[in-house]
Amino acid sequence: NAGVTQTPKFQVLKTGQSMTLQCAQDMNHEYMSWYRQDPGMGLRLIHYSVGAGITDQGEVPNGYNVSRSTTEDFPLRLLSAAPSQTSVYFCASTPGTGGNTQYFGPGTRLTVL
Amino acid sequence: LAKTTQPISMDSYEGQEVNITCSHNNIATNDYITWYQQFPSQGPRFIIQGYKTKVTNEVASLFIPADRKSSTLSLPRVSLSDTAVYYCLVGWANFGNEKLTFGTGTRLTIIP
Repeated sequence: NAGVTQTPKFQVLKTGQSMTLQCAQDMNHEYMSWYRQDPGMGLRLIHYSVGAGITDQGEVPNGYNVSRSTTEDFPLRLLSAAPSQTSVYFCASTPGTGGNTQYFGPGTRLTVL
Repeated sequence: LAKTTQPISMDSYEGQEVNITCSHNNIATNDYITWYQQFPSQGPRFIIQGYKTKVTNEVASLFIPADRKSSTLSLPRVSLSDTAVYYCLVGWANFGNEKLTFGTGTRLTIIP
């Protein structure tokens, strides 16, 4: 198993550009989530999904969209990048059997100029 | 939504036992308590999970009192490689609308 994979690892955008951060897991986990982590700070939940076709907002959803068409994939779309979105983005997945054990991807480091 | 409170930072010497406590006063009946470790430039890594009483694995122990309003992560005989940020997470992700939100974490520094 590859676990949770994220692409790209690094990305530089200009203000106003849009892009999609990719996240995939091969563990057949129902629950997936996106977090952002600013330098020296904790993780903040952006969006999450409890299964294919179901998504919901986390703590800081503004400026981001998600979709969950398959169990495996959970892409995060930045609609119009802003410098305030400069951060490291982590995707995570959790088995749908209770508990809250999350398996995290390696992260995407995004810089918006 | 269970909110967690942890000390911002702790220092300890190599070889000591370290205990990090997390407060979660409004924990729900179905919530589990999970601790994660995070090194710089990496995603958090699962350490241990529990529901009540005591849980032990090869790297840590988790103590949960009967009222479940707090929990303590215990790291035996720490080494320099245990320097990291430790997060306590309370919640339950099982086909519900549970948002798994992290607290601010505890930055643990191990001193030689």
